[in-house]
Amino acid sequence: EPEVTQTPSHQVTQMGQEVILRCVPISNHLYFYWYRQILGQKVEFLVSFYNNEISEKSEIFDDQFSVERPDGSNFTLKIRSTKLEDSAMYFCASSSDRGYSPLHFGNGTRLTVT
Amino acid sequence: KNEVEQSPQNLTAQEGEFITINCSYSVGISALHWLQQHPGGGIVSLFMLSSGKKKHGRLIATINIQEKHSSLHITASHPRDSAVYICAVGGETSGSRLTFGEGTQLTVNP
Repeated sequence: EPEVTQTPSHQVTQMGQEVILRCVPISNHLYFYWYRQILGQKVEFLVSFYNNEISEKSEIFDDQFSVERPDGSNFTLKIRSTKLEDSAMYFCASSSDRGYSPLHFGNGTRLTVT
Repeated sequence: KNEVEQSPQNLTAQEGEFITINCSYSVGISALHWLQQHPGGGIVSLFMLSSGKKKHGRLIATINIQEKHSSLHITASHPRDSAVYICAVGGETSGSRLTFGEGTQLTVNP
């Protein structure tokens, strides 16, 4: 069965550094998402992306964050200047239809900011 | 008040028991999702439903739109069912943006 793949599985970075989290969504999916889960807390929506542009973003997704689909297969989340509070598990997801089909999640990237 | 509330937070069962996890939500929704999160962190979609009932193997999900309530049932539970079960809702106007519950930690003992 096709799956969403995320790399790396674990990223350690120093505060203030830029990180790029990578995702390869399922190939025929059109809608892409990033969610995050701070340790011990619930999963939170960050951003949704369709047709090469952001369709919706949460208040968490400030100017430090950006998303890109650079080559038609990868979907990336960039954090420009990481803060300690950015430490979390970041999940990429994709779906074939907006809101009317299940989301397929990757296994996540655990980001640790020191 | 949380938009999505699950109960119980933690549940311990013996192998073979029938399990029910409940989810209540306070907003209008386009669909409700049940997800499973394993200890390694990965999330798997179990069900997406907007009315009635769905069944997959030993798992059954029901939803009552009028009461804003959903249940996930596991029949003949097994230790491999041990995981966190999460309820999430897609908004009426933004179905792709899911709001998650806190999750229910299920432990099934042999």
